[in-house]
Amino acid sequence: DGGITQSPKYLFRKEGQNVTLSCEQNLNHDAMYWYRQDPGQGLRLIYYSQIVNDFQKGDIAEGYSVSREKKESFPLTVTSAQKNPTAFYLCASSTLYGRHLDTQYFGPGTRLTVL
Amino acid sequence: QKEVEQNSGPLSVPEGAIASLNCTYSDRVSQSFFWYRQYSGKSPELIMSIYSNGDKEDGRFTAQLNKASQYVSLLIRDSQPSDSATYLCAVKDPGTYKYIFGTGTRLKVLA
Repeated sequence: DGGITQSPKYLFRKEGQNVTLSCEQNLNHDAMYWYRQDPGQGLRLIYYSQIVNDFQKGDIAEGYSVSREKKESFPLTVTSAQKNPTAFYLCASSTLYGRHLDTQYFGPGTRLTVL
Repeated sequence: QKEVEQNSGPLSVPEGAIASLNCTYSDRVSQSFFWYRQYSGKSPELIMSIYSNGDKEDGRFTAQLNKASQYVSLLIRDSQPSDSATYLCAVKDPGTYKYIFGTGTRLKVLA
């Protein structure tokens, strides 16, 4: 089955801890994205990547870091510098054919709670 | 700042009625538009994409695009209680590979 997997489904973080959220896709998509969603809010872009070993900051990158060492994987680290990390984190991927051939698909999400 | 605007709702419709969801966008050169459905606690799932002016139908769903007026809408015919969810409108930014999302419209279909 082709798709996007995220793990863990639920994650609890203590104050001052760094945690890493996993995102893997087997859709052969070039682009991958991380979003944050807070209750009753829309999606806010954290980071995105169009190619291996390259990524760009989104609108709310402070306190987060990513890597893209493999096409299939785009892990997100929530650092202790992120002061309010409790949220629903969504990973997405898309093709990069250009113009209107590209569509973005989402993984199931990771719900992060700070204790 | 490029924006996508949606009425947050809730939009309440009786079962069997047509639900009409609207979205406006600020970037006139946008080419690709998407509707996602998000159930509470779940991730967004793609319902439809549309690129050309006019209507695009898929089952009970019809997407409508009017580039001159910069709006895109989603009609859901014969609404069912299972359609109760938040509907997100998204526009692909042609200058980058980012997707810009509205805050979503919450739809409630009353049995």
